[in-house]
Amino acid sequence: DQQVKQNSPSLSVQEGRISILNCDYTNSMFDYFLWYKKYPAEGPTFLISISSIKDKNEDGRFTVFLNKSAKHLSLHIVPSQPGDSAVYFCAAYSNQAGTALIFGKGTTLSVSS
Amino acid sequence: SQTIHQWPATLVQPVGSPLSLECTVEGTSNPNLYWYRQAAGRGLQLLFYSVGIGQISSEVPQNLSASRPQDRQFILSSKKLLLSDSGFYLCALGRDRGYRYTFGSGTRLTVV
Repeated sequence: DQQVKQNSPSLSVQEGRISILNCDYTNSMFDYFLWYKKYPAEGPTFLISISSIKDKNEDGRFTVFLNKSAKHLSLHIVPSQPGDSAVYFCAAYSNQAGTALIFGKGTTLSVSS
Repeated sequence: SQTIHQWPATLVQPVGSPLSLECTVEGTSNPNLYWYRQAAGRGLQLLFYSVGIGQISSEVPQNLSASRPQDRQFILSSKKLLLSDSGFYLCALGRDRGYRYTFGSGTRLTVV
């Protein structure tokens, strides 16, 4: 059973517009949620995170929103740039010892110029 | 700073052959180490994680195994590869109770 779900396998956006990537989770015990960005043939790189006690975290063009009651988070990229084209993975983490990051299946973002 | 090295970058192996992928880290001690696999349509799947030398936890039963012979070395192995073992294998390191992982550059394994 998937604990972290990214239901949109792909998203296409024009340069300058907003990109919104969505993620749902099932386990209410997660303590942190993260977004990783991955280019082909490379390892994922950390993008932004949010604690479960927050509802918003912003870093430059990237903002993550968390809705705990809906068990939903989203990543907003404004404005989108062609270099943002990549696979974005949503991940969740529990502080409980002996656990690891759980990733969604990823969403491929394509930003056209 | 923490660095993670993973090799080889690409590998083509016949079905039934053995496998050994190595991951080493620098700039940290007693890290938590992880093996993930990215397969088509399946995202990043956790395979194994290790919190110390000789300590391995398996998340997905399969014909793969992992070992941690040294603090900064994590090895993924198989005695006989299957076609379904094809994928992009990623090693990652994290700190205890830390949620930000650093990933290696990955190994693209194709089993033919």
